[in-house]
Amino acid sequence: GIQVEQSPPDLILQEGANSTLRCNFSDSVNNLQWFHQNPWGQLINLFYIPSGTKQNGRLSATTVATERYSLLYISSSQTTDSGVYFCAVDRRTAGGTSYGKLTFGQGTILTVHP
Amino acid sequence: KAGVTQTPRYLIKTRGQQVTLSCSPISGHRSVSWYQQTPGQGLQFLFEYFSETQRNKGNFPGRFSGRQFSNSRSEMNVSTLELGDSALYLCASSKGQGIEKLFFGSGTQLSVL
Repeated sequence: GIQVEQSPPDLILQEGANSTLRCNFSDSVNNLQWFHQNPWGQLINLFYIPSGTKQNGRLSATTVATERYSLLYISSSQTTDSGVYFCAVDRRTAGGTSYGKLTFGQGTILTVHP
Repeated sequence: KAGVTQTPRYLIKTRGQQVTLSCSPISGHRSVSWYQQTPGQGLQFLFEYFSETQRNKGNFPGRFSGRQFSNSRSEMNVSTLELGDSALYLCASSKGQGIEKLFFGSGTQLSVL
């Protein structure tokens, strides 16, 4: 199956700092999403971004599908940004989509100190 | 619009028992997917249901099963529980039209003693 690698595994920041999280994947994808898992366990969907660039407030994401990677940028980090960030993909196949199935990376644990 | 609702939030069971978890999707969403999250294996796909039919299945033993009702609510059942089944079980909903965003609930934390 498709492999998803995220880096760095851990990241510690001071409030106000910027950061970049990376997601590499081993095959062509037709679906790529970034999630934030908060301390209560809920996965919050940040971006659906199989290609291109999107921005939402202090967060932005870029996926370069031809080079098989995606980047999540967090600017002016806040303590509420702490948690685990996951990249998840679905491999592009001739048969179409794998309904409901995403392959997740191991995540980046972000800690933002005040 | 209410989000994805999972019940119960926490469960404690003993080995050999069975357990049923419930998931109510976002109104208008007809697809429900289930995932298992453990510290060692991360997030892994269990199965997906749409219009009461299982369309996709991950690599889990037959002890893990699910179903979906006509109102799109879904249940997941694990029979003959093992210690290794201790995990956070998350469900996600979507419209079910193919390549689209998934919206997750807060999960059910299952502990098997």
